[in-house]
Amino acid sequence: SQQGEEDPQALSIQEGENATMNCSYKTSINNLQWYRQNSGRGLVHLILIRSNEREKHSGRLRVTLDTSKKSSSLLITASRAADTASYFCATDGSDSWGKLQFGAGTQVVVTP
Amino acid sequence: GAVVSQHPSRVICKSGTSVKIECRSLDFQATTMFWYRQFPKQSLMLMATSNEGSKATYEQGVEKDKFLINHASLTLSTLTVTSAHPEDSSFYICSAQPGLAGGTQYFGPGTRLLVL
Repeated sequence: SQQGEEDPQALSIQEGENATMNCSYKTSINNLQWYRQNSGRGLVHLILIRSNEREKHSGRLRVTLDTSKKSSSLLITASRAADTASYFCATDGSDSWGKLQFGAGTQVVVTP
Repeated sequence: GAVVSQHPSRVICKSGTSVKIECRSLDFQATTMFWYRQFPKQSLMLMATSNEGSKATYEQGVEKDKFLINHASLTLSTLTVTSAHPEDSSFYICSAQPGLAGGTQYFGPGTRLLVL
């Protein structure tokens, strides 16, 4: 079963704007990971944030984690048309031995 | 970075036939590989965990006799869809994890299966 719930389900923005998507989960975790998937392709790993971390940056990406609320957010700053993709959060549960549970995903469309 | 390949990238088969999908870690060894299935416009659903040298562990609701997994080496896992039916048509994605559990998983490009 899916652990993560993501919102929004879809997001349409213009180039240069920021895109924010949220992920909520239900059980305790070792870490939470964000992935990007272009249509019909495999997943690209973006960021892994551990349960004892609150914020992490990678280039134009910023991820936050609030374990008290069991939620995470992914911010893409200064978006580009090439950022158009589906974004998934995935949790590595404390008792799941590395198995990832994926959220439903947010479909992001960035128009030039 | 770590690269995972899948073969074939897409396959069309007749109902009742079996299809084998390979997942290879090209530049690292993976004790554990995972197999996922993704239906159109949906998320990834974990099917099974493939462990080198031992039996795969399947998620609830996944038929182990239908989806045969063999992890024969530290760089290769195979998923065989036996007696495929149209409802098995899906996007199958594998991932490989170097080192111990809890780290980054690297995903293959996926295999699109269409059963006629």
